[in-house]
Amino acid sequence: EIVLTQSPDFQSVTPKEKVTITCRASQSIDSSLHWYQQKPDQSPKLLIKFASQSISGVPSRFSGSGSETVFTLTINSLEAEDAATYYCHQSRTLPWTFGQGTKVEIK
Amino acid sequence: EVQLVESGGGLVQPGGSLRLSCAASGFTVSTNYMYWVRQAPGKGLEWVSIIYSSGTTYYADSVKGRFTISRDNSKNTLYLQMNSLRAEDTAVYYCARILQWVPDYWGQGTLVTVSS
Repeated sequence: EIVLTQSPDFQSVTPKEKVTITCRASQSIDSSLHWYQQKPDQSPKLLIKFASQSISGVPSRFSGSGSETVFTLTINSLEAEDAATYYCHQSRTLPWTFGQGTKVEIK
Repeated sequence: EVQLVESGGGLVQPGGSLRLSCAASGFTVSTNYMYWVRQAPGKGLEWVSIIYSSGTTYYADSVKGRFTISRDNSKNTLYLQMNSLRAEDTAVYYCARILQWVPDYWGQGTLVTVSS
């Protein structure tokens, strides 16, 4: 099973600050890594697919990078509405797995 | 517009059974990969099961032999039959469409509580 490890687990950030979340895979997953945002009592929402591909309707302040085993989600100029938990998710190999999540709080 | 609506959750005793449904609109279930993911209270996301357009299915080790994923093409609906339920199966269960290996649309989830 491929283990995805996110860092940090929690981040408290002021508006307009830049947020960087890292996801490390226990083995290479090429670019089969996707990022989701989950707000309380809501289902996950797709933000980035295949490491760096943007999703229609998602604000341009969200971007992704990386390949193989190290991936990054960047939120430029954080807004209050970005308070949520962020998950990485790999679809390279069954069982598909998720990172443990990174909670982003607005100061 | 793509929509997924789960139903069938509820309170069940340990050892009991439930069948979850995921009614789809805006696309055809049978021509897409579909999966179930769950989230225990206050915890992260856990992949449960997947069904390919071919009908091939896979399960997480934690549910293998107890859960069955299926679909009804005439109703455009995905199912998850859950038997021999345990306390650790307590979670919100989400269904999602998978498009070109990317889970893109998710339902709102249905809560399953296993407790005596």
